[in-house]
Parts: sequence; C-alpha cells; structure tokens
Amino acid sequence: DIQMTQSPSSLSASVGDRVTITCRASQGIRNDLGWYQQKPGKAPKRLIYAASSLQSGVPSRFSGSGSGTEFTLTISSLQPEDFATYYCLQQNSYPRTFGQGTKVEIK
Amino acid sequence: EVQLVESGGGLVQSGESLRLSCAASGFTFSSYAMSWVRQAPGKGLEWVSVVSGNGGSTYYADPVKGRFSIFRDNSKNTLYLQMNSLRAEDTAVYYCTGDSGGKDYWGQGTLVTVSS
Repeated sequence: DIQMTQSPSSLSASVGDRVTITCRASQGIRNDLGWYQQKPGKAPKRLIYAASSLQSGVPSRFSGSGSGTEFTLTISSLQPEDFATYYCLQQNSYPRTFGQGTKVEIK
Repeated sequence: EVQLVESGGGLVQSGESLRLSCAASGFTFSSYAMSWVRQAPGKGLEWVSVVSGNGGSTYYADPVKGRFSIFRDNSKNTLYLQMNSLRAEDTAVYYCTGDSGGKDYWGQGTLVTVSS
C-alpha cells in the first residue's frame, strides 16, 4: 500500500500569510493526488485534483504542485474562512490513502 | 442540485451488522465510481471502499476486507455498504463520495457507533 506522509500536522498563521503544506508518497504516484479541506462537523471538500488542477468554484489563492512523490498545497494569502484541516489523498492505486491531516489555526 | 444523502447509521453492539445507504440525485450516478470514507471521532479521514460505475469492480481497505461489502443499484441511484462483524474501531462518521474526473461530491455523513 502507498503511504502518504503529510507535514506539518498543524500550523498557526495569520490572515494574509502564505501557507504551504506538503505530502510525500512512499512510491511514485504520477500526479494522482487531491487536496481536501474540512471544517468541523462538515464533509470534506476537494480543492485540487490531479495535483495542480483547481476544482471549480475554489478561490485562486489555493494552488497545488508536484508529481511523483512530492506534492505541495499553497494558500497564497490566508483568509479567515481558510482555517480548517487539510488532507491529501493519493488516487493512483487501491487502497486509496489519505495523509494524516494539517490543522491550520489562527495565530 | 447534486445531493448524496446517507442513512442507516446508528448504535450497534460489537459483532452485529449494519447496512448503510447513500441516495444520489442531480448527476448521472452510473457514470461515477462511488466510495465510502470514514472518520473516527477526533481523527483523520480513512478511505474504506470503492465500487466502479457499473458495479463490476470493488476494492477495500485492509481493516474492513472480508467484513464489509460495497455494492450499488444504478436503477435506484443508491450506493450501499454492508458492514458485518462490527468492531469498536469501526465507530466513525461514514461519508459516501462520488468522483468522476474533475467532479467530486460528498454526502453529509452518517454516524455509526459500535459498543463493546
């Protein structure tokens, strides 16, 4: 099975900050990776698919990059509504595997 | 409007069975691979199982293999998860989700609590 290692597990940031979250895959997964945002008590929402494609309706301050084993989610200017937990999901092979999550908190 | 509505969750004893349902509307259900994802209280997301659009292919996470069964009825636009031999560690909110290329839909989740 492919393991996804996500870092950091949590971070504190201020509104307007640039935030970067990283996922590493235990083996190459091409660009078969999605990024999800989850707010407390709510279902996850996909932000990015195929590593770098922005989901329709998602603000352009979110971007994804990477291929193979290293992937990055960047929020260019953190907004109040972005405080949430973020997960990566490898979609290259089964079983699918999520990263452990990154909780983005207010500084 | 796209909707995925899960049902069937509840409180069961360890070793018992439960069947979850997910009623879909607002999109071409049979064109989407459908999955179940769960989240234990205070924990991260865990992928559980997937079924292909025509129901012919299924895959499972190791912790549920042999105990859970995923299937779908495209005539009823409904996804199911049959859960047998439930354990305390299966306690979680279960989400159904559909994915087709750039489109991705999630239900609101249904809580399954397994008492030991």
